[in-house]
Amino acid sequence: SQTIHQWPATLVQPVGSPLSLECTVEGTSNPNLYWYRQAAGRGLQLLFYSVGIGQISSEVPQNLSASRPQDRQFILSSKKLLLSDSGFYLCAFSQGIVDTQYFGPGTRLTVL
Amino acid sequence: AQKVTQAQTEISVVEKEDVTLDCVYETRDTTYYLFWYKQPPSGELVFLIRRNSFDEQNEISGRYSWNFQKSTSSFNFTITASQVVDSAVYFCALSVTGNTDKLIFGTGTRLQVFP
Repeated sequence: SQTIHQWPATLVQPVGSPLSLECTVEGTSNPNLYWYRQAAGRGLQLLFYSVGIGQISSEVPQNLSASRPQDRQFILSSKKLLLSDSGFYLCAFSQGIVDTQYFGPGTRLTVL
Repeated sequence: AQKVTQAQTEISVVEKEDVTLDCVYETRDTTYYLFWYKQPPSGELVFLIRRNSFDEQNEISGRYSWNFQKSTSSFNFTITASQVVDSAVYFCALSVTGNTDKLIFGTGTRLQVFP
């Protein structure tokens, strides 16, 4: 069966520190991968998506970047965190165009 | 442009009551997909249902049912005989055909079911 993992589950980081969140998918190959952010009490905003290794599309210009070094690995990074980067980060995968997206457990990031 | 509106920010009911969560969408595309996800307190989004724009048949899955009406651009979700475990935030989402399958989410409806 297909599963999606994210780590860490929670993270508290000071302003200006770097960030690396990891997402991995098991049980499937060549998935589409997505990073979403959910600010407190708000809906989900798509940050990045990837249709293949090394292929990253950004939806919102910001302080974050994404990479896909392997087929089933998706990484969200920042060189210097801002207070506004706090939120709940969700990774998702799908098997193709307009297929259902399945979400990971999320990472709760607090920037102090 | 595409948009999903969930006008109900929060709904509170007592166990065993029926409750309907509203979802109104906007798109000019003729082919699109609608979804409902559940976000329990743990935070993970749980997929509930997906419908395509050519299938307006209502669907029932246990205590859950969905009413898709293209005439009113609505995709409402009803929980019959609600239970405490139904307490969560529910998101409606829209995806249109194209180069990617980006999901456009509504702002969610928080459902609280009291015993």
